[in-house]
Amino acid sequence: DAGVIQSPRHEVTEMGQEVTLRCKPISGHNSLFWYRQTMMRGLELLIYFNNNVPIDDSGMPEDRFSAKMPNASFSTLKIQPSEPRDSAVYFCASSSGGWRDYGYTFGSGTRLTVV
Amino acid sequence: GNSVTQMEGPVTLSEEAFLTINCTYTATGYPSLFWYVQYPGEGLQLLLKATKADDKGSNKGFEATYRKETTSFHLEKGSVQVSDSAVYFCALGAAYNTNAGKSTFGDGTTLTVKP
Repeated sequence: DAGVIQSPRHEVTEMGQEVTLRCKPISGHNSLFWYRQTMMRGLELLIYFNNNVPIDDSGMPEDRFSAKMPNASFSTLKIQPSEPRDSAVYFCASSSGGWRDYGYTFGSGTRLTVV
Repeated sequence: GNSVTQMEGPVTLSEEAFLTINCTYTATGYPSLFWYVQYPGEGLQLLLKATKADDKGSNKGFEATYRKETTSFHLEKGSVQVSDSAVYFCALGAAYNTNAGKSTFGDGTTLTVKP
């Protein structure tokens, strides 16, 4: 298994531009999570999906952020317009769910820099 | 709600020293417990897990025992190596799929091992 695949690995964009981050979860996993990691705030859960349905988006910082999961093998996190304070590493993770939680598999992350 | 408290870092040890990173939790029900490791520039990786009280998770020389009576899941290793330098996260899983597999993470503890 190739694991959770995120793209791009690095993204540098100018303030005001739209940014789209992509994630392919592990096949058969039915939960998908988007996290943001910064030195100041640590690891923050932005949104998570179960069976392609958004369950909790209370961590999405503001309306500039949106996430979709059109099918079981693909999810996007979009920032429009981007701002310098959005600079962070964004991680996608997936899990198999079920009655007993067996933990997450994380992707390698997308390092976003907004200048 | 669920919460995880980890020992504050950073922790600096000499090679071959004994490692303990404390983790305590507050939870309803009987969630799984996890330790994740994040090496520089990478995503988090599941290091070990325990799914019920008195279980011992182990991997790569690391161990942690699920202690329900003290609500703890301390990470230990008998002899650390330079290659163990990383950030370690304790995490609390969801109990009985109540949150579709959503975990609660601690703030992370940075370990540096010097030769």
